[in-house]
Amino acid sequence: RKEVEQDPGPFNVPEGATVAFNCTYSNSASQSFFWYRQDCRKEPKLLMSVYSSGNEDGRFTAQLNRASQYISLLIRDSKLSDSATYLCVVNDGANNLFFGTGTRLTVIP
Amino acid sequence: EAGVVQSPRYKIIEKKQPVAFWCNPISGHNTLYWYRQNLGQGPELLIRYENEEAVDDSQLPKDRFSAERLKGVDSTLKIQPAELGDSAVYLCASSSVEGHTEAFFGQGTRLTVV
Repeated sequence: RKEVEQDPGPFNVPEGATVAFNCTYSNSASQSFFWYRQDCRKEPKLLMSVYSSGNEDGRFTAQLNRASQYISLLIRDSKLSDSATYLCVVNDGANNLFFGTGTRLTVIP
Repeated sequence: EAGVVQSPRYKIIEKKQPVAFWCNPISGHNTLYWYRQNLGQGPELLIRYENEEAVDDSQLPKDRFSAERLKGVDSTLKIQPAELGDSAVYLCASSSVEGHTEAFFGQGTRLTVV
């Protein structure tokens, strides 16, 4: 079983749409959680950390449900520039970072 | 502040040849990761260093892969001999060991084995 499971998509949405990505993790001892963004042929870059209480950064909202071992990312009012692959990342508490396969998003004009 | 620096950016080699990748992490970052990323997949951990110590190399194919971080700063990853299936992007990342902070990635080395 993989440490982090993600729906690979692809998600094709029109501009202005709201889209949500989900991710589950297997290690209940995991301590910290992140969403990374990866553009085509580029390296992954941190989009936002995910806190227990949930957190928001502009159009982006991240949620964590420890009981269900579930992480989500919501993007509101999608822009063309949001087109990328979104990677769910989990730190298992021992400083090991595990990545999901990534969810590919294409925002269509 | 400089980010994670990797070289080379691209490498094309014939199978059975050796290849080496170099990484210089962000200054002061004790933790260094090497990942391999295949097309359409997320990065997969090969090895993690805390300073000069390899603390997790369970996913490193030790028959042909080796890595070192002798002075706890920069690191090299070597493949010898390379196989066709080794074609991938090799990513280096670093993070501060204090707290559960995010990792910062270099631009990666795209390896093609022909």
